[in-house]
Amino acid sequence: DTGVSQDPRHKITKRGQNVTFRCDPISEHNRLYWYRQTLGQGPEFLTYFQNEAQLEKSRLLSDRFSAERPKGSFSTLEIQRTEQGDSAMYLCASSLGPGTTNTGELFFGEGSRLTVL
Amino acid sequence: AQSVTQLDSQVPVFEEAPVELRCNYSSSVSVYLFWYVQYPNQGLQLLLKYLSGSTLVKGINGFEAEFNKSQTSFHLRKPSVHISDTAEYFCAVTLNYGQNFVFGPGTRLSVLP
Repeated sequence: DTGVSQDPRHKITKRGQNVTFRCDPISEHNRLYWYRQTLGQGPEFLTYFQNEAQLEKSRLLSDRFSAERPKGSFSTLEIQRTEQGDSAMYLCASSLGPGTTNTGELFFGEGSRLTVL
Repeated sequence: AQSVTQLDSQVPVFEEAPVELRCNYSSSVSVYLFWYVQYPNQGLQLLLKYLSGSTLVKGINGFEAEFNKSQTSFHLRKPSVHISDTAEYFCAVTLNYGQNFVFGPGTRLSVLP
């Protein structure tokens, strides 16, 4: 399967614990995005990378959240000291950067669902 | 900054009936528009997109959408729905290829037998 993959698919944790999610994008895609989706809402942008550079961060990304893409391939999203309000689906997407081969859309993984008890 | 409105949070419709899901956007510059579908506990899948050219675009599963610049709308339509079309539908806008997408709140389409 050459699509976007995310791990784990489900994570249940206790309030105050740290959690980390991993995303492997489509191999030739140099842009990678993280979104958060709560029940009944559309995805909300968190951050995105062009190769290993983090180009934009949303104000939703508090100091408890950190994302990395150290080698410009896979990315991790870490949430420290989780709160019940962090319960959501965390979606990763990838795309080509600007250029003639870019068809415009984001390709999404199936998401990592976080439940904070 | 751009924004997306989907006025209908839920749309129930009988099987084989036509459906229209509404999307309006707000932007001071030209945008690219997309419709995505999300089935339960899955990620988002692209239905169709408008980048340029013909304002009527056709997508997968028999869906189509029409870009109307004067009304800043991009409504999604299907002439005859199936039970399998039951899902959440999201309209999204972006200013440029590869930049951040802004999504609407979604419309839950329920197809009834």
